[in-house]
Amino acid sequence: GQNIDQPTEMTATEGAIVQINCTYQTSGFNGLFWYQQHAGEAPTFLSYNVLDGLEEKGRFSSFLSRSKGYSYLLLKELQMKDSASYLCAVRSHSGNTPLVFGKGTRLSVIA
Amino acid sequence: DGGITQSPKYLFRKEGQNVTLSCEQNLNHDAMYWYRQDPGQGLRLIYYSQIVNDFQKGDIAEGYSVSREKKESFPLTVTSAQKNPTAFYLCASSGDFDTEAFFGQGTRLTVV
Repeated sequence: GQNIDQPTEMTATEGAIVQINCTYQTSGFNGLFWYQQHAGEAPTFLSYNVLDGLEEKGRFSSFLSRSKGYSYLLLKELQMKDSASYLCAVRSHSGNTPLVFGKGTRLSVIA
Repeated sequence: DGGITQSPKYLFRKEGQNVTLSCEQNLNHDAMYWYRQDPGQGLRLIYYSQIVNDFQKGDIAEGYSVSREKKESFPLTVTSAQKNPTAFYLCASSGDFDTEAFFGQGTRLTVV
């Protein structure tokens, strides 16, 4: 089966750093994705990891450990506009195959 | 501009009626997907297509049907057999050389 777990909700303060964790158990592994989704809108792509280690992109970083089935998304210098849901997704098979999504983490950034 | 377009954004239907949701992309992507999103449930895969004239059932295909007659288009029909059709429907596409899936703006379907 496919199982992707992430916390349901998190709250953090403007200007701070927050880490959103994701653990996965899937039939195969061909990459892990993080998406941001504001309420009522489409998910937008944030990051992609297929090898172990840290990928940095501006205020956002994503880490992957394949042996542990674990990833995290790190958001630095939080802004109010970062309040959104963050979706962890895994591509289990190679090629143009569907992503399997976790239930998402709703992040609230407070002043 | 290249992108993926879903229409309409909001759709209301009476119970027992079939309804078709449109999804069009001009990204020249081979693969297209339909997901359903309910509060607290995340995105669940309904159907996907990796090539024209071929499609596969996802995890929750019952009560839905699709067609893929053109590379650009992947319409989803929500039939009267779908017990709980009210939801937010998202269409996505991906290409051979792109790693991520690109999403349309979604259609919020309400059945009354």
